[in-house]
Amino acid sequence: GEDVEQSLFLSVREGDSSVINCTYTDSSSTYLYWYKQEPGAGLQLLTYIFSNMDMKQDQRLTVLLNKKDKHLSLRIADTQTGDSAIYFCAETFSGGYNKLIFGAGTRLAVHP
Amino acid sequence: NAGVTQTPKFQVLKTGQSMTLQCAQDMNHNSMYWYRQDPGMGLRLIYYSASEGTTDKGEVPNGYNVSRLNKREFSLRLESAAPSQTSVYFCASKEGTGGYGYTFGSGTRLTVV
Repeated sequence: GEDVEQSLFLSVREGDSSVINCTYTDSSSTYLYWYKQEPGAGLQLLTYIFSNMDMKQDQRLTVLLNKKDKHLSLRIADTQTGDSAIYFCAETFSGGYNKLIFGAGTRLAVHP
Repeated sequence: NAGVTQTPKFQVLKTGQSMTLQCAQDMNHNSMYWYRQDPGMGLRLIYYSASEGTTDKGEVPNGYNVSRLNKREFSLRLESAAPSQTSVYFCASKEGTGGYGYTFGSGTRLTVV
């Protein structure tokens, strides 16, 4: 079945790196995503990775995909207070009309 | 601005009342989706419409109905609201059958008392 799991909370100091982890169960995933949700707002696509890639870098963001372990991570370098938000891992998979399956979200708190 | 527009942004209903949440997109996307977001549970799919004229159930369809009125609009109806339907509802759209490219609306916060 389809299941995406994330830890619920992460606290980091400003300027440090943040690593948010996600595990998924569906081996037929086609794309995996990271979304950001700021308080009271909708979801903003941060980055995505195709399932045949191992890594993707986009400025301060690095996505690592370990297909063998079905593990996805998002690293935010030089974390800033503006990065404080909930981060959702999500996947789509073949045959599912491209429905997004979300994890519960990781709340990232950045403190001085 | 191009995107997904949801109305209303906030709503309070009494148990048993009905209402329709509206969603419209101006990007000529084929697929549209309704999700609900509850604390600690992420977003769960209620219904989706792969193309104009088709709708299908998602993970949590009970208590809801949908209408894909045309390519632009996809509405979600609560016929008899219950407190368990208190949630934040998000509409999303996507262009085709490829993977990425979802656009989300800003959400409707619904409280049922």
